[in-house]
Amino acid sequence: EAQVTQNPRYLITVTGKKLTVTCSQNMNHEYMSWYRQDPGLGLRQIYYSMNVEVTDKGDVPEGYKVSRKEKRNFPLILESPSPNQTSLYFCASGQGDPYEQYFGPGTRLTVT
Amino acid sequence: DAKTTQPTSMDCAEGRAANLPCNHSTISGNEYVYWYRQIHSQGPQYIIHGLKNNETNEMASLIITEDRKSSTLILPHATLRDTAVYYCIVRGPYSGGGADGLTFGKGTHLIIQP
Repeated sequence: EAQVTQNPRYLITVTGKKLTVTCSQNMNHEYMSWYRQDPGLGLRQIYYSMNVEVTDKGDVPEGYKVSRKEKRNFPLILESPSPNQTSLYFCASGQGDPYEQYFGPGTRLTVT
Repeated sequence: DAKTTQPTSMDCAEGRAANLPCNHSTISGNEYVYWYRQIHSQGPQYIIHGLKNNETNEMASLIITEDRKSSTLILPHATLRDTAVYYCIVRGPYSGGGADGLTFGKGTHLIIQP
């Protein structure tokens, strides 16, 4: 089944403790992206990647890192999480038309 | 990108066609209309997109007016599982120089009534 998977789905952590949220897609898509969703603010793009080793900042990249060493994986790294990064995070992938995106199930992160 | 206006919420009876309107009066000639939906706290789901011709796929139909200032997403036989927030998004064609993200507004909360 074609899908985008994210792990973990739920995470509660403390300020400053490094964490990684994994994202993997099995559709051989070139384009991958991370969004966060907050009440009243909608979805905002954090980082995106057009292909392996090609990444770029989205609208809200501060406090996040990404890497794209393989086509299928696009992990999101929070080196020193803070409470304002408490959010619902979505990974997405696409091929050809990057606005036709396929989203993962989401990761709900709470930073205390 | 052109701004879109959608009703905040709509009801539809199960089994009937759900018609979701979107106003995009400032759309320019090369901008596409995309529709996504999001079932509560799940990832957004791509539904359909179009430029000026009507489009249909296994999920829905998209009707774009001749002047392209508005469009309607039609779910032909709505089920309870279609209850979701539906987003209408207008974007220009991908130019190849990098892809900024999709901008989801407030959307329409469609409630399918049994």
